[in-house]
Amino acid sequence: EVQLLESGGGLVQPGGSLRLSCAASGFTFSTYAMSWVRQAPGKGLGWVSGLSASGGNTYYADSVKGRFTISRDNSKNMLYLQMNSLRAEDTAVYYCVKGGDYFDYWGQGTLVTVSS
Amino acid sequence: SYELTQPPSLSVSPGQTARISCSGDALPNQYAYWYQQKPGQAPVLIIYKDTERPSGIPGRFSGSSSGTIVTLTISGVQAEDAADYFCQSANSGGPYVVFGGGTKLTVL
Repeated sequence: EVQLLESGGGLVQPGGSLRLSCAASGFTFSTYAMSWVRQAPGKGLGWVSGLSASGGNTYYADSVKGRFTISRDNSKNMLYLQMNSLRAEDTAVYYCVKGGDYFDYWGQGTLVTVSS
Repeated sequence: SYELTQPPSLSVSPGQTARISCSGDALPNQYAYWYQQKPGQAPVLIIYKDTERPSGIPGRFSGSSSGTIVTLTISGVQAEDAADYFCQSANSGGPYVVFGGGTKLTVL
């Protein structure tokens, strides 16, 4: 059974940093692209970032480019999202998702709140 | 920037057919995907590559494509189908992945 378990969310002040982690299991992690998708409270879904299976290719939404960094550790079946220079508009539930072009499995999400 | 446009809401009675549209200029050249999200839950993939249904998704869910419009059809709507539905596509020209704004389906 595929499982994606996010952690690392919480309350952070504007301008601060946070690192999200996603522990993957139930599939051969190293052979799949992975991504992060977020959802602001009461809003729709927004793609944040994607990463190729090897980690060699990364992709970012314009709204986070230069502030967020996606990475993975295939030896530990872990996906990460380093978020710097956080803004109020980054407040959202962040989902770890399996896939690059589309997402067949989703974690339950971790809430990031950016507020003073 | 590339956008996918969905109606914000749709109401149907149980047993009727619900059709949710999603329009986008790149859809003739890119696959579309559909997700169902119930309150407090993560989204679930219900249609991939325009028309394919993942295992475990009921047969009453189907997808179709025609030009710049893709459509999710729910035949014989049930009360449990009340949810938000999001279309999604990918655009190699950037942004790489885009979601529609979502359609809230109400089952009367």
